[in-house]
Amino acid sequence: DQQVKQNSPSLSVQEGRISILNCDYTNSMFDYFLWYKKYPAEGPTFLISISSIKDKNEDGRFTVFLNKSAKHLSLHIVPSQPGDSAVYFCAARPSGSARQLTFGSGTQLTVLP
Amino acid sequence: EAQVTQNPRYLITVTGKKLTVTCSQNMNHEYMSWYRQDPGLGLRQIYYSMNVEVTDKGDVPEGYKVSRKEKRNFPLILESPSPNQTSLYFCASRDATTMKETQYFGPGTRLLVL
Repeated sequence: DQQVKQNSPSLSVQEGRISILNCDYTNSMFDYFLWYKKYPAEGPTFLISISSIKDKNEDGRFTVFLNKSAKHLSLHIVPSQPGDSAVYFCAARPSGSARQLTFGSGTQLTVLP
Repeated sequence: EAQVTQNPRYLITVTGKKLTVTCSQNMNHEYMSWYRQDPGLGLRQIYYSMNVEVTDKGDVPEGYKVSRKEKRNFPLILESPSPNQTSLYFCASRDATTMKETQYFGPGTRLLVL
């Protein structure tokens, strides 16, 4: 049973437009959420995170929104650039846990020039 | 340069032949983990370690062993590999002294078990 779900395996957007990647979770104990970006033949790299005490966190072109009541978070990329084409993983961690993260299955984003 | 290294990057082996994938980090991180990535399943944690000589099972530990004799190294051992362990493996490390949850990942090891 996947506790972190990314229901869209792929997404294509035009350069300059907004990319919205979605993630749902089922474990109400999760209190910290992250997005990782992965290029082919490389390991994932950290992109942006959000704590459950916030509902929005912004870093340049990247914004993460958290809706705790819906157990949903989303990553917005504005404007999208061809270099953003990668697999994006959503991840979450429960409060008080020393364990590492639970990841979603990933969404392949393709930004078309 | 801060990094996590894994070796080998690619490995083809046969069922039952013991193998070890090494992982090393130069950031003095306490936490280290192993993950496998499979299509449609994302990254699943195999084992993790909170410090030297402290290891625990993740979500999919069957068929794997780990050891943490030194802080910088966290090898993954497959005593008797089977075809269902064909996967892409990532080692990761994290600083336990910061509130940040950022993990640093190695470049990955692609394993094929025939």
